Amino acid sequence: AQSVAQPEDQVNVAEGNPLTVKCTYSVSGNPYLFWYVQYPNRGLQFLLKYITGDNLVKGSYGFEAEFNKSQTSFHLKKPSALVSDSALYFCAVRVYNNNDMRFGAGTRLTVKP
Amino acid sequence: SQTIHQWPATLVQPVGSPLSLECTVEGTSNPNLYWYRQAAGRGLQLLFYSIGIDQISSEVPQNLSASRPQDRQFILSSKKLLLSDSGFYLCAWSVKLAGQETQYFGPGTRLLVL
Repeated sequence: AQSVAQPEDQVNVAEGNPLTVKCTYSVSGNPYLFWYVQYPNRGLQFLLKYITGDNLVKGSYGFEAEFNKSQTSFHLKKPSALVSDSALYFCAVRVYNNNDMRFGAGTRLTVKP
Repeated sequence: SQTIHQWPATLVQPVGSPLSLECTVEGTSNPNLYWYRQAAGRGLQLLFYSIGIDQISSEVPQNLSASRPQDRQFILSSKKLLLSDSGFYLCAWSVKLAGQETQYFGPGTRLLVL
């Protein structure tokens, strides 16, 4: 079985400051990890994913995430937050040959000017 | 390029009425297709996924059903809606890559059952 935890319901940062949205996972086997963003009343948009290789993954809109196998984490980061980054962020995990992708409960990011 | 459509965008239905939500994908063949429900702007619950025409897997027992009459069409239905069926319904597609594939989501349908 696989599962994902996003320990923070809400993250608040000031514009221009770095941001981190946390995600930890639990799987049997090697994980495939994803981050999505959702703006109000919209579908989810893909940001980035980790499949294999370099632990630091770069994605859309200046976001990046670091895969840490020992800590079973895949935190989303951005060096300098924008007000327009305010949205709901979802982490998800899947394993090989499994159609079931498990999503975290979501973290609401608010960037204040 | 690939696009995914969902309609209607918003739906208000009385309890006990039937439901049909449609999802279509363009620009790809033989995709995996998914239906999710999102309650109260939070976590996603996988309802159904399909790896091919008339091949549907249900993740949770519920008042809903799904059908895939064509390769790029995925329909979510109910014979009698319940109040608890209210929510934001998202369709997604992906290519087949043994679990590595990225899912791409449609714009969603907001359903309110009164």
